[in-house]
Amino acid sequence: GQQLNQSPQSMFIQEGEDVSMNCTSSSIFNTWLWYKQDPGEGPVLLIALYKAGELTSNGRLTAQFGITRKDSFLNISASIPSDVGIYFCAGPYNTDKLIFGTGTRLQVFP
Amino acid sequence: SQTIHQWPATLVQPVGSPLSLECTVEGTSNPNLYWYRQAAGRGLQLLFYSVGIGQISSEVPQNLSASRPQDRQFILSSKKLLLSDSGFYLCAWSVQRLNYGYTFGSGTRLTVV
Repeated sequence: GQQLNQSPQSMFIQEGEDVSMNCTSSSIFNTWLWYKQDPGEGPVLLIALYKAGELTSNGRLTAQFGITRKDSFLNISASIPSDVGIYFCAGPYNTDKLIFGTGTRLQVFP
Repeated sequence: SQTIHQWPATLVQPVGSPLSLECTVEGTSNPNLYWYRQAAGRGLQLLFYSVGIGQISSEVPQNLSASRPQDRQFILSSKKLLLSDSGFYLCAWSVQRLNYGYTFGSGTRLTVV
């Protein structure tokens, strides 16, 4: 069945470093969504992408909708301690529900 | 503006006891509603979703059930909890068009002892 694979599974970086993560699908998506989940909280939408090749920024975060429509990328520049959490990609599975990626766990050390 | 309320925030229940988790949405009509479970440090597992009152779709056969008695109310229940039901339960809502994604509640941490 359809699934979204995220890599890396986890990252341990030092404060100030840049972060890159990606999400790949076995099928085409028309929308890519990136969420962040803080520890003990529900995921929060960070960025939404609607067009192949689109590059969208939200502060230090930049996400790209892959040209093939089967992948998406999220970059975080100059990481800070509050960037800690789990990052999920997602896309519409059908008209009723989203499919979520496996998640990338980010740990930032001072 | 739309808000989603989920309670309780934490719950410790003995094995074999019943469960009722409630989720309500304000500021919108006819939302899609979802229940997810997340094991510690793991991904999001869709349990149930509803596109209208009384309409429930089950994703994973298990010890849980869901109901939608009102347009903006979604309830997750169990008659007898198992140890394996422990986890972080998240409610979410969306407009009919999924391109805007879900808005999640703050979650319920359930520990079955």
